[in-house]
Amino acid sequence: ETGVTQSPTHLIKTRGQQVTLRCSSQSGHNTVSWYQQALGQGPQFIFQYYREEENGRGNFPPRFSGLQFPNYSSELNVNALELDDSALYLCASSFSEGAYEQYFGPGTRLTVT
Amino acid sequence: GESVGLHLPTLSVQEGDNSIINCAYSNSASDYFIWYKQESGKGPQFIIDIRSNMDKRQGQRVTVLLNKTVKHLSLQIAATQPGDSAVYFCAENQETSGSRLTFGEGTQLTVNP
Repeated sequence: ETGVTQSPTHLIKTRGQQVTLRCSSQSGHNTVSWYQQALGQGPQFIFQYYREEENGRGNFPPRFSGLQFPNYSSELNVNALELDDSALYLCASSFSEGAYEQYFGPGTRLTVT
Repeated sequence: GESVGLHLPTLSVQEGDNSIINCAYSNSASDYFIWYKQESGKGPQFIIDIRSNMDKRQGQRVTVLLNKTVKHLSLQIAATQPGDSAVYFCAENQETSGSRLTFGEGTQLTVNP
């Protein structure tokens, strides 16, 4: 098990609502990345946060946003939820913004109805 | 866009046999390749990685082979055990993209007792 924790474990939301997912990075890690994993597919990179700023973004619309706090924990916010946002959201931490070795949390399963 | 993909979606082996999981990639600029194991209900777990200037790397019961000529990556698991049953993903990273990983779709490995 990694030291990366995520909350909540499961979440059910209605289309059009907003959601906030949380992540605590592994001790000593200052970089957090978020991934979306649709059922039966590999994780897709959403964005990365380093020193409390977004430091790289994948092909996701602006309604996906994030924050990183001084203690390196992070939030993923999704506005105007769509049915296709239903997925497992994974947080991964690494010890620097350039480190490819990442440690994943267990994920938050989001269901949008 | 360029992506990492897998040849086979499922693989079934007998306990004690060797397993080989394959991956094709298209981004010749990738610097690192990583294999992840994902068990049901968990986040991806780092198994082994290989730098692009290497052909082979061995770990405990696992070996990764990289053939840059045909852009092919494989993961060999020796003496496969029931605990190896999981979905396996290959992922690639470019140093210029920071920690960002690009994942393939995964191979479901089932180990029969």
